[in-house]
This record gives sequence, structure tokens and C-alpha cells, in this order.
Amino acid sequence: AQTVTQSQPEMSVQEAETVTLSCTYDTSESDYYLFWYKQPPSRQMILVIRQEAYKQQNATENRFSVNFQKAAKSFSLKISDSQLGDAAMYFCAYYGSNYKLTFGKGTLLTVNP
Amino acid sequence: NAGVMQNPRHLVRRRGQEARLRCSPMKGHSHVYWYRQLPEEGLKFMVYLQKENIIDESGMPKERFSAEFPKEGPSILRIQQVVRGDSAAYFCASSKTENTEAFFGQGTRLTVV
Repeated sequence: AQTVTQSQPEMSVQEAETVTLSCTYDTSESDYYLFWYKQPPSRQMILVIRQEAYKQQNATENRFSVNFQKAAKSFSLKISDSQLGDAAMYFCAYYGSNYKLTFGKGTLLTVNP
Repeated sequence: NAGVMQNPRHLVRRRGQEARLRCSPMKGHSHVYWYRQLPEEGLKFMVYLQKENIIDESGMPKERFSAEFPKEGPSILRIQQVVRGDSAAYFCASSKTENTEAFFGQGTRLTVV
């Protein structure tokens, strides 16, 4: 079974600075997807970024980028120029051949003005 | 172009009552997933359904929980004889196929008193 580990329960960053959230996963599959979701206090699950395992190039979405290390099974999220609206719970998730998302326990990100 | 609609947003039940949670997938989506989020936890997979079929219910508790996705109408997650431990946020997600992005609803927060 796949597992996803987020080793940082909480992180904080100053507004306009950069922060990196860590995620590692365990799988025996070679073809899969990885996601970062944001959950603000409203509880809505918002997709931030996705990465296909077969792509070597790291995904980027505006201020959000990932560092995908397939051999190390590592998938970190970098948020540049942090904004107050980035404050939320962030979940890393794995999607493989069993068609279901496996989530980590989350990292609570605080953005300080 | 409505997103995934879940209702109710909040549901309070007394121990022993039944809880019915509804999920209307996005238009054109025939795949529905239910996840449960306990306090301070990530989302945990419960069940994966396609129209009129349960594809994977490996995350469903063996007793009291059931799910359906009829040909017409929303998907229903039903919890019979609720207990305090069932208190959680229940999220529904839908996708067009099993290999396309799943979009989440805003969740139903169930409180058992």
C-alpha cells in the first residue's frame, strides 16, 4: 500500500518570503501522479499543483513549484513571494493504479505580515 | 458550470440516528469518491463509485456505512446508528474518468451528539 508522509506539522513564513513544504511517499509503482492540495479554513480542498511521475520536468503554477525527486520519492512544494492568502493547511497526495488519493497528514502554513 | 455540490454543509445527529450525506458530481462526471477527514488528519479514502456500481469500498467501515450512486440523482453516503466517533468532515470528489482530475466538494461536517 502507498503511504504519504509530511514531516512538518506546522510551518511559518514571512510575507513575501519563500517557504518549502516537504513530502515523501512510498510506492512500488512507476506510473502515478502527485498532488498538493490547499485547505483554507473554509475547508474547501483546492488543487494547487500536480505532477505526473513520468515527467522529469518539475511542475510550476505561478508562485508554486515542486521539486520532484522520483528516485528519492520526494515531492516538495515551494511557495515564492508568500501572501497572506496562502495561509492554510497543505496536503500532499498520491494517486496511483488503485484510482484513489492517499493523503499525508498535512502541514499548517502560517504567513506572518 | 457548478462544481461538486454537497449537502448539507453541516449535519447534527444524536447517537443512534441515521445520517445521509448527498453529493452531486460535476456535470459530465460519472466517477464519485468519498473521503473522511477526522480532526487534525488528512483525508482518508472510503469508497469509489461509478453510476450504479461500487468499484472500491476498501475504506468503508464494515458495518453501518453504505454508499450508492444511482443512475439518476446524487450519490448518497449513509451512516446508520451513528456514534460519536463518526463525527468528521466527509468530502465527495468527482471526475470524468478514473484518470482525470478529481474535483472536491466543500464537504459535510457531521457532528454526533
